[in-house]
Amino acid sequence: EDQVTQSPEALRLQEGESSSLNCSYTVSGLRGLFWYRQDPGKGPEFLFTLYSAGEEKEKERLKATLTKKESFLHITAPKPEDSATYLCAVRPPGYSSASKIIFGSGTRLSIRP
Amino acid sequence: SQTIHQWPATLVQPVGSPLSLECTVEGTSNPNLYWYRQAAGRGLQLLFYSVGIGQISSEVPQNLSASRPQDRQFILSSKKLLLSDSGFYLCAWGPPPPLAGVRETQYFGPGTRLLVL
Repeated sequence: EDQVTQSPEALRLQEGESSSLNCSYTVSGLRGLFWYRQDPGKGPEFLFTLYSAGEEKEKERLKATLTKKESFLHITAPKPEDSATYLCAVRPPGYSSASKIIFGSGTRLSIRP
Repeated sequence: SQTIHQWPATLVQPVGSPLSLECTVEGTSNPNLYWYRQAAGRGLQLLFYSVGIGQISSEVPQNLSASRPQDRQFILSSKKLLLSDSGFYLCAWGPPPPLAGVRETQYFGPGTRLLVL
């Protein structure tokens, strides 16, 4: 069964303390890996799409990278407003009119001022 | 640009009462539409998806049903709510194949918080 595992479940950092979130997947031949940010009580907000191993995407203090088995979301010099749950999702191989994606359980990131 | 709306934002319902949650999308045609449920501190569970008007696929057998009466309208319903139906319900849209490249993802609405008492 295709699985997406995110670690750690929760991460508390001091403002300015850089770190990385991990997303590992068992899907072979995935057709896209996606990162979302979700604030409490709100819907997930799309951040990045990665497709090929070695690909990188950046947005402000966030950088997402992809290997054949996992993706990392690096956060550099985070600020309290970066506190949120970060979700990873993958699209499995094979054609599907539904274009379903599989989500991980997320990493709750908390940045202390 | 595309926008997605959900209402109500919050709902408190007694056990055994009916449910109707609505989702509408603007700025796109023939989208794929999805209903997810998110339990507290958990990931997203896909409940239903639709690739066109009147076309509904169920992912998880449950007390809920979905309908798509119009191209950009998706409704989640129940005849009798259970305590276990409480949760955060999210509607999402995505572009349909073959227009969607592999890089296309799903875009979420603001969600509905449902509490069944």
